[in-house]
Amino acid sequence: GNSVTQMEGPVTLSEEAFLTINCTYTATGYPSLFWYVQYPGEGLQLLLKATKADDKGSNKGFEATYRKETTSFHLEKGSVQVSDSAVYFCALSGNSGGSNYKLTFGKGTLLTVNP
Amino acid sequence: EAQVTQNPRYLITVTGKKLTVTCSQNMNHEYMSWYRQDPGLGLRQIYYSMNVEVTDKGDVPEGYKVSRKEKRNFPLILESPSPNQTSLYFCASSLSGTGRYEQYFGPGTRLTVT
Repeated sequence: GNSVTQMEGPVTLSEEAFLTINCTYTATGYPSLFWYVQYPGEGLQLLLKATKADDKGSNKGFEATYRKETTSFHLEKGSVQVSDSAVYFCALSGNSGGSNYKLTFGKGTLLTVNP
Repeated sequence: EAQVTQNPRYLITVTGKKLTVTCSQNMNHEYMSWYRQDPGLGLRQIYYSMNVEVTDKGDVPEGYKVSRKEKRNFPLILESPSPNQTSLYFCASSLSGTGRYEQYFGPGTRLTVT
């Protein structure tokens, strides 16, 4: 079945530091890939997505590139802010039909950014 | 405002007392789903629905029921809750279940079963 592995947290950075959260996946066919963010006390919201190989998703200064050859979708941001403190989830959704309509999530990475 | 709403947001109950968590979306989405979030396990799908009257099991359906009588509503029913169902529950919806569309999440329902 499908699976997502993302780097364990927590990750603690100083403001303006560079962020990378690694994410690799296992899936059949050509899944769509997502990063969701969960701010304290809130539900998940989509941060960015990519639906085919070599696509780059970007939003709010975050970027991730769909790399089929390495089955990866690493999240990066050049300069983090205190307001970026949250839990980040990598997820995939299969496109081959059947039981693959669900989102398969990684376990989440807690990011704390200190001023 | 486009949104997914859940009620209640917090619930403390006792073992065996039937409860329903409601979920409603105002985006005319076909696909709806329930997830539970547990520490160290991430989010896992409980049930999903491709459209009205079409539901199917996710990864962890035991102890739960759902129904989809109307497009906008997708209630989660725990007929005899047990302590291992203590968790944070999220409802989500999507334009369709083809996989390419993002899912919109509700704010969550924190359930404690004693």
